Amino acid sequence: NAGVTQTPKFQVLKTGQSMTLQCAQDMNHNSMYWYRQDPGMGLRLIYYSASEGTTDKGEVPNGYNVSRLNKREFSLRLESAAPSQTSVYFCASSGTGTAVQTSTNEKLFFGSGTQLSVL
Amino acid sequence: GDSVTQMEGPVTLSEEAFLTINCTYTATGYPSLFWYVQYPGEGLQLLLKATKADDKGSNKGFEATYRKETTSFHLEKGSVQVSDSAVYFCALARNFNKFYFGSGTKLNVKP
Repeated sequence: NAGVTQTPKFQVLKTGQSMTLQCAQDMNHNSMYWYRQDPGMGLRLIYYSASEGTTDKGEVPNGYNVSRLNKREFSLRLESAAPSQTSVYFCASSGTGTAVQTSTNEKLFFGSGTQLSVL
Repeated sequence: GDSVTQMEGPVTLSEEAFLTINCTYTATGYPSLFWYVQYPGEGLQLLLKATKADDKGSNKGFEATYRKETTSFHLEKGSVQVSDSAVYFCALARNFNKFYFGSGTKLNVKP
């Protein structure tokens, strides 16, 4: 029962470095999401993918890119890291059915998070 | 735009005390409302949800009622335990791809 798996768990970068956060889910979910969690601000949506082959911007997409590699995997890339991107990043997924099956789609399953520090 | 506002923490209670964490929302239409819980070092887990006005979500002794007239979804528990210590997030979803989370309320329960 792996659920949503994120790697790495911790990462320290220098300003200007790049990296990719990996996320995979084994629940056959259609939708996948990347959130960042900052103190006093809760979770903010960076990007999401409603289905394989589609991606859309969330509340705070600047400085990030995403790839929905296949139905299982959704990666988040920082091309040139900045100290403002220091945060905890969570991947999530939802939805095994069609859009009308809202009770299934509306439950988010989260990974355990990536603690990223940009110096 | 859609948003969720919840009470700031931390909230510190003694074991068996009554818990209320306030949550209000702003949204057009009829969103679904949720409470998620985050235990230390883990991702968020769904605690309960309500999908329409006057619905009551409940789980593990926690309850919340969807109040459209006051745009609220307050979390309550009659008797908290030390194991309830966590961060609690109120959230709404107006369509299944867009979830909006509050800033989280940390609960500390002392024995």
